[in-house]
Formats: sequence, structure tokens, C-alpha cells
Amino acid sequence: KAGVTQTPRYLIKTRGQQVTLSCSPISGHRSVSWYQQTPGQGLQFLFEYFSETQRNKGNFPGRFSGRQFSNSRSEMNVSTLELGDSALYLCASSQRQYEESYEQYFGPGTRLTVT
Amino acid sequence: KNQVEQSPQSLIILEGKNCTLQCNYTVSPFSNLRWYKQDTGRGPVSLTIMTFSENTKSNGRYTATLDADTKQSSLHITASQLSDSASYICVVSASYKLIFGSGTRLLVRP
Repeated sequence: KAGVTQTPRYLIKTRGQQVTLSCSPISGHRSVSWYQQTPGQGLQFLFEYFSETQRNKGNFPGRFSGRQFSNSRSEMNVSTLELGDSALYLCASSQRQYEESYEQYFGPGTRLTVT
Repeated sequence: KNQVEQSPQSLIILEGKNCTLQCNYTVSPFSNLRWYKQDTGRGPVSLTIMTFSENTKSNGRYTATLDADTKQSSLHITASQLSDSASYICVVSASYKLIFGSGTRLLVRP
């Protein structure tokens, strides 16, 4: 079974631009979560989608948005990029939404650098 | 406030030695606790998941313990190998959200 895939793996953008990251979950998984990881803040939860609906959202500004398609693939978008948005963006998929002991599988991440 | 604290922040050990990483949490309501291993530049990989009723769980050379009364967990690595060099992240699930610790960076030296 193929793992979680994220594209692109690396991205360099300029302040003020917008960016779209893509995540393909493991086949059969309906839940996709997004995380931001920086050296200073560690892993922080962005949002979670289940069956095309956003079920949970972290404490990030509205510049961060996402969506999920009917095939469970998900995209996240960051508008008006700031230098502080430079981070590793991780996507994770699971079969069910937050049931006890559900297993979450992470992708390799997209390294975003904002200059 | 829901928080997960890990110690130490970093650790250096010699290959073959054992080590224990700590995780303290103030999270309510508690659902489960997970330990992840993250190699540099890669996504985290799950090592163990423990629910309230589980005290110990092993995955090869990794053994996690959970004391729900004191809200503490530990991850014990036995006979460390160079490939154990990574960040180890403690994550607590509460109210359908995951709360992440800042991780312990482990370096295993030959």
C-alpha cells in the first residue's frame, strides 16, 4: 500500500505570494490532517478534514485554509505569505476521525521557504 | 491549558546504552498518548499508542509506560543503535485534538 504523498517536497516563495500544497492520503483513509513544524514552535495542528468537511481547526490566521476532495485528497493554501510561514508542512491520514487509538500516518512533508 | 512537556530537550548517548525519555501532560479529557519518532527531514512515525487503561506497550526495543494518575509517560530505548538518532515526540489526544510536545532530540554516538 502506498504511503501518504505530499507535493511538492520543496518550495521557495516570496513574501506576499500564495502557495498551495497537496496531500494524497493512504488509499481508504478518509481523514487528513495538516501540521506546521518549525524549530521554535515544534509541531502545530492546522486543521483536519474528514469526508470533505473541516472537523477541527488550530489557532492559525485565516490566511491558512484547506479543502478536501471526494477522493480524500487534500490541499492547503497559504495566502499573503510571511517570512514566519517558512516551515515543514506535514500531512497525516487515518482511516477514521479521532476514534480511540486510531493510527495516523504522516507524509514526508513539504519544506516551504519564504524569502 | 492543555500542555505536553518533554524532557530532556536533547540527549547524547553511546551506542548500545539504554535511555529513557520523559513526557508530562496536563490534558483533559485524556483519550490516548502516542510516541512518535521523527528522523531529520522526514515525517513522524508512530512507535506506540496507549489508552487510559494501558500501563506499558512495547515496539521492539522501544517500551512506553503510562501513569494516568500522575499524568506521566516515559519511552525507554534499549540497546540503542545509531539509527535511533532522531527526535522523539510525545502526543496526547484530547477532545478530538492532538497536543504535541516539543520533542527530545536523541543523538546516538558510536
